[in-house]
Amino acid sequence: ELKVEQNPLFLSMQEGKNYTIYCNYSTTSDRLYWYRQDPGKSLESLFVLLSNGAVKQEGRLMASLDTKARLSTLHITAAVHDLSATYFCAVFFYGGATNKLIFGTGTLLAVQP
Amino acid sequence: DTGVSQDPRHKITKRGQNVTFRCDPISEHNRLYWYRQTLGQGPEFLTYFQNEAQLEKSRLLSDRFSAERPKGSFSTLEIQRTEQGDSAMYLCASRRGGRSYGYTFGSGTRLTVV
Repeated sequence: ELKVEQNPLFLSMQEGKNYTIYCNYSTTSDRLYWYRQDPGKSLESLFVLLSNGAVKQEGRLMASLDTKARLSTLHITAAVHDLSATYFCAVFFYGGATNKLIFGTGTLLAVQP
Repeated sequence: DTGVSQDPRHKITKRGQNVTFRCDPISEHNRLYWYRQTLGQGPEFLTYFQNEAQLEKSRLLSDRFSAERPKGSFSTLEIQRTEQGDSAMYLCASRRGGRSYGYTFGSGTRLTVV
């Protein structure tokens, strides 16, 4: 069974600080996605990582993928309050005729002034 | 690109009633997915369509759940004899075939069973 685990589950940060969210998964995959979700809202796509060693950056967020270690990271630089949200990683699972995203447990990020 | 549309946005129903949700994917997207998300959890996969063919149905979907995608366009998800445990956000996503294309999620339908 494919499992996707994120840690931490909850992260309280001060503005201006740096931190990293980790996403570990249990089976082979070469595609990983990061999403942001605000309370009561749907999922906003942040990054699509398509190969081992892929690194993408947008503003204060940077995501990377190590398919050999089955690990992705989402690094936050100099956090600001607007980044407060829940962040999900999702691993692409391909099973012959079918495919799907398997989501992690989510990390609730609260950036304090 | 008008996005993925879901209707209704909110649905409150009494236990035992049937409900149906609709998803209109982005027109050129041939792949469509349904997910369910409960409070504090990540979305859980329910079912997958490629064009009109339903290629996978999660074991989370009991016999009370059925999904269709006639003509490979919009999709419906029906829940019969709703139970309180069905209360959740139901999310629809679509994408094109091909490795580099991402998934676009709709705004979801929030179901409350009372």
